[in-house]
Amino acid sequence: ETGVTQTPRHLVMGMTNKKSLKCEQHLGHNAMYWYKQSAKKPLELMFVYSLEERVENNSVPSRFSPECPNSSHLFLHLHTLQPEDSALYLCASSRGLAGGTTGELFFGEGSRLTVL
Amino acid sequence: AQSVTQLDSQVPVFEEAPVELRCNYSSSVSVYLFWYVQYPNQGLQLLLKYLSGSTLVKGINGFEAEFNKSQTSFHLRKPSVHISDTAEYFCAVSDLGAGNMLTFGGGTRLMVKP
Repeated sequence: ETGVTQTPRHLVMGMTNKKSLKCEQHLGHNAMYWYKQSAKKPLELMFVYSLEERVENNSVPSRFSPECPNSSHLFLHLHTLQPEDSALYLCASSRGLAGGTTGELFFGEGSRLTVL
Repeated sequence: AQSVTQLDSQVPVFEEAPVELRCNYSSSVSVYLFWYVQYPNQGLQLLLKYLSGSTLVKGINGFEAEFNKSQTSFHLRKPSVHISDTAEYFCAVSDLGAGNMLTFGGGTRLMVKP
């Protein structure tokens, strides 16, 4: 039990499907993150939310749409994905975001996405 | 902009042998440095971090790392590895004041053999 729960753990979808990944943190943190982990590539930061406001969007294609309804939940909505989007999507949370509050990121176990 | 280089993508080692996983970074400002570990089918968890003070940092599971500012390195070491240390290890850096905006290296897969 890591305190950050991701569902589903595995997802297979076609290029025309619409699906969502869910992340929930039980740690009382106020910042949440989506990372993409592909084989042979460094972790890529996709989106950052602080106090439910998006503060980072690293040129992610619009076929990925994040949603943060409250400080405990984060979603990643997926539509018309491409096979190259197949990867492990990791959610993380932290107690603070910037200005000297550097500390630990708490990661979920990830959602393994396969796009056919 | 900052970047992190982990020179070794894979490091095979026998059980009870010492190991060093290398990490070099580049940044125009002072940084915080981290090592994370990812066991199979799990997310990442923090192994250790350097924020300030002593350049030798001790972490969980007997790991330690040394911050070398002149060489811009933060190598991870363990004097005697166990089979259970088999995992992917990620070095990460954040600019001072950038909070939790981490930049990760490409990872090093540590393979401990009996």
